[in-house]
Amino acid sequence: GAGVSQSPSNKVTEKGKDVELRCDPISGHTALYWYRQSLGQGLEFLIYFQGNSAPDKSGLPSDRFSAERTGGSVSTLTIQRTQQEDSAVYLCASSLVTGSEAFFGQGTRLTVV
Amino acid sequence: GQNIDQPTEMTATEGAIVQINCTYQTSGFNGLFWYQQHAGEAPTFLSYNVLDGLEEKGRFSSFLSRSKGYSYLLLKELQMKDSASYLCAVRDSNYQLIWGAGTKLIIKP
Repeated sequence: GAGVSQSPSNKVTEKGKDVELRCDPISGHTALYWYRQSLGQGLEFLIYFQGNSAPDKSGLPSDRFSAERTGGSVSTLTIQRTQQEDSAVYLCASSLVTGSEAFFGQGTRLTVV
Repeated sequence: GQNIDQPTEMTATEGAIVQINCTYQTSGFNGLFWYQQHAGEAPTFLSYNVLDGLEEKGRFSSFLSRSKGYSYLLLKELQMKDSASYLCAVRDSNYQLIWGAGTKLIIKP
């Protein structure tokens, strides 16, 4: 596609429910990043995929968080048993190769009530 | 550990010049990026420096000193639309992007 696409744009969920956030990177981009941004804060790295290599999961805050990238393209970030502190904007970015200019999606605003 | 430092917030006047500083301590260095992020929107790329010196792009310029672990973003002829957060990111030896927390720039008429 023309840009990085994320869905849904907004998600309100009840505490304890599971949620799935989707990211469609720019076609041909081998690197894909997930970040979390709380209101007024910087980017918090969550997970990084590069080609067929094992993902870098070092930023995932707990084992309730997981992510997959199927076929080297679309990625899904799953949060199980959501907590109120999970409320944030979840941003996905892709780049042609590792460390090159990153292009961001519009993000998914997650609200846990 | 790896660290990127930027001021949290700056205020400037429309039509003036503002300089936003970024200092970094990272595991290696393979380039520095500046991004702009308007409230409620995704970050967008502004500039990239990998060699020492000044890169100019219209009203925006970015400077890098690798020996000092220092960069700045210079914005000239400020416009109200420049009100945004400005994020500094460094590419480390593993080619990972390490992000600063961002500087919120407030432009006053």
